This record gives sequence, C-alpha cells and structure tokens, in this order.
Amino acid sequence: AQKVTQTQTSISVVEKTTVTMDCVYETRDSSYFLFWYKQTASGEIVFLIRQDSYKKENATVGHYSLNFQKPKSSIGLIITATQIEDSAVYFCAMREGDTNAYKVIFGKGTHLHVLP
Amino acid sequence: NAGVIQTPRHKVTGKGQEATLWCEPISGHSAVFWYRQTIVQGLEFLTYFRNQAPIDDSGMPKERFSAQMPNQSHSTLKIQSTQPQDSAVYLCASSLTGGAQNTLYFGAGTRLSVL
Repeated sequence: AQKVTQTQTSISVVEKTTVTMDCVYETRDSSYFLFWYKQTASGEIVFLIRQDSYKKENATVGHYSLNFQKPKSSIGLIITATQIEDSAVYFCAMREGDTNAYKVIFGKGTHLHVLP
Repeated sequence: NAGVIQTPRHKVTGKGQEATLWCEPISGHSAVFWYRQTIVQGLEFLTYFRNQAPIDDSGMPKERFSAQMPNQSHSTLKIQSTQPQDSAVYLCASSLTGGAQNTLYFGAGTRLSVL
C-alpha cells in the first residue's frame, strides 16, 4: 500500500534563507508521481511542483526545487530565498501510475514559519 | 475559470442529522476527488470519480458516507446520521483527466461542525 511520511511537523527559518522539507514515500509501483502542495492560512491548497519517478533530473519551478533520491524513496522540497509569504503548511503527495486507481495520498504536512 | 466550487462553506448539524456537501469541478475536468481534513489525521482520501464513474472509494467510511456524481458538473458527498467525529473540513478537488501525472485543483472546502 502506498504511504507518504513527513516527519517534520514544524520548521522556522529567517526570511531570505533556504529551507528543506523532507518526505519519504512507500510504493510497489514502478511508475509514480510525487507532488508538493501548499496550504495557506486561508485554507487554500495549491499545487507547487511535481517529480515524475522516471526522470532523473530534479524538478525546479521558480524558487522551489526538489531533491529526488529514488533509492531512498525520498523527495525533499527546497525553497530558496524564503519570503514571509512562504509561511504555510506544505504537503507531500504521491500518485501511483502502474494501476488504474490513481488516488492521491498525502503526508500530514510540515508547517513552515518564515520569520523576519 | 472559477476554480472548484464547494457549497456550503460552513455547515452546522446536530448529532444524527444528515449533511450533504456539494462540489462543482472545474469545467472540462474529468476527475473528481473528495478528501477530509482534520488536525489529527491530516488530508484523508475518501473517494474518486473519473468521467462520473466511481473508481476508488477505499477511504470512505463503510457506514453513513456516500458520494455521487450524477453529471460532469457536480458531485455530492452525503453523510447520514452525522456524529461529532465527522466534524472536519471536507475538500473536493478536480484534475483535467484521470492520468496519474495530473495535478489536483482544490476547492475552498466545506467546514462541517457536528454539535
């Protein structure tokens, strides 16, 4: 069964620094997709970035990048030059691709606090 | 593009009453997901439709919960005989297709409070 684990409940950083949020996953599928979503204080959940399991290159979008370590079943989210507005809860998610089910499983989230 | 629309935003029910939550996916999206969010459990998958057909309801509590998608423009989640432990934010999301690579677009959620 698929599983996504985020062990960091809360992280605090000073703005303009770099932060890494950890995520490990479990799957028996050979093909899968990993996502990071952000939930703001208003409750809105938005997609940030995706990593396809068959791609060796780490995905990058704006000041978000991923550290994909397939042998360790790990997908870390790196935010560079953090801003106050990056304060939010960040969810790691996985969607398996071998089967036809395609349900998306989320980790429990990491609360990021960016301090001035 | 109005995004995923969920109504009502807040619903208060008494214990034992029925609650029906509505979701309108983004036009043209063929996949609809329902999740429940609580502080303790986080984002729990409930059920998933693709092209209006139920694909996976493995997260749905076996009793009292049901979901339908009668047409491509809306889905409902019904909770019968609500209990205090059903209190949560219920989130609906849609994606362009059922493909595994597609991202989810979430609605604002319905906050259900069972007194």
